[in-house]
Amino acid sequence: DGGITQSPKYLFRKEGQNVTLSCEQNLNHDAMYWYRQDPGQGLRLIYYSQIVNDFQKGDIAEGYSVSREKKESFPLTVTSAQKNPTAFYLCASSSIGQGSYQETQYFGPGTRLLVL
Amino acid sequence: DAKTTQPPSMDCAEGRAANLPCNHSTISGNEYVYWYRQIHSQGPQYIIHGLKNNETNEMASLIITEDRKSSTLILPHATLRDTAVYYCIVRVPQGTYKYIFGTGTRLKVLA
Repeated sequence: DGGITQSPKYLFRKEGQNVTLSCEQNLNHDAMYWYRQDPGQGLRLIYYSQIVNDFQKGDIAEGYSVSREKKESFPLTVTSAQKNPTAFYLCASSSIGQGSYQETQYFGPGTRLLVL
Repeated sequence: DAKTTQPPSMDCAEGRAANLPCNHSTISGNEYVYWYRQIHSQGPQYIIHGLKNNETNEMASLIITEDRKSSTLILPHATLRDTAVYYCIVRVPQGTYKYIFGTGTRLKVLA
C-alpha cells in the first residue's frame, strides 16, 4: 500500500526538550515537505527537500531542523529554540517533473505536538 | 503564486450538489488551480486540478471560467463524509514547490 506515514500521532514535549517527528514515504517521490498548521489557520512551509542530502528553508524554519539521509525519510526535529511548538505538523511528498500531475503533493496523516 | 479568495463557510444538504467557489483574479497564464480538502485532524487530501479546461474525476468536477479569474469545485452528491475544509490553491507546477494554503471554505453537509 503506497503512501506517507507519520509517527507518532500525538507527541508531548517538555520545556527545553528537542523532539523528532518521523515522516516516511514509499511513493518513490524525490521531494518531501514539512508544514505547520495552527488552529483555524492554513498550512505554512517549514522545510523542503528535493534530493537526498539537500534541503531548503521554508517560511518558518527558525527553531526547526531536518535531515534527508534517505529518499524515503525526512524527519523533523523541533528544537528548544522553537518557543511556540504546539501545532499540527504535516509531511508531504511529490515527484519532480515538468507536469502538473507529477508535482501534485500528497500529505501524511499528521502529528499533533503538545507542550507540557 | 496568485492569491485566492474563498468564502469562510458553506452548508449543503446531503445528496445535493455542493458548489464551492474560488476567486483568483490575478492568476497568470501558466498557473494551475488545485483543490484539496482537509477533514478534521487529518492531512489534506488532493481532489482535482486544472489549467483552463473543465476537469472531472471520481471525486469532483472543476469548472474554470473562460477568463480563468474564478473556479468552482462541484461535489455532485454531497455526503456527510464530505464535511471538511476545502482549499483552493493556484500555482505553477514546477520550480516553486511551495503550496500556499489560505484558510479555505468550511463545508458542512447537513443530514
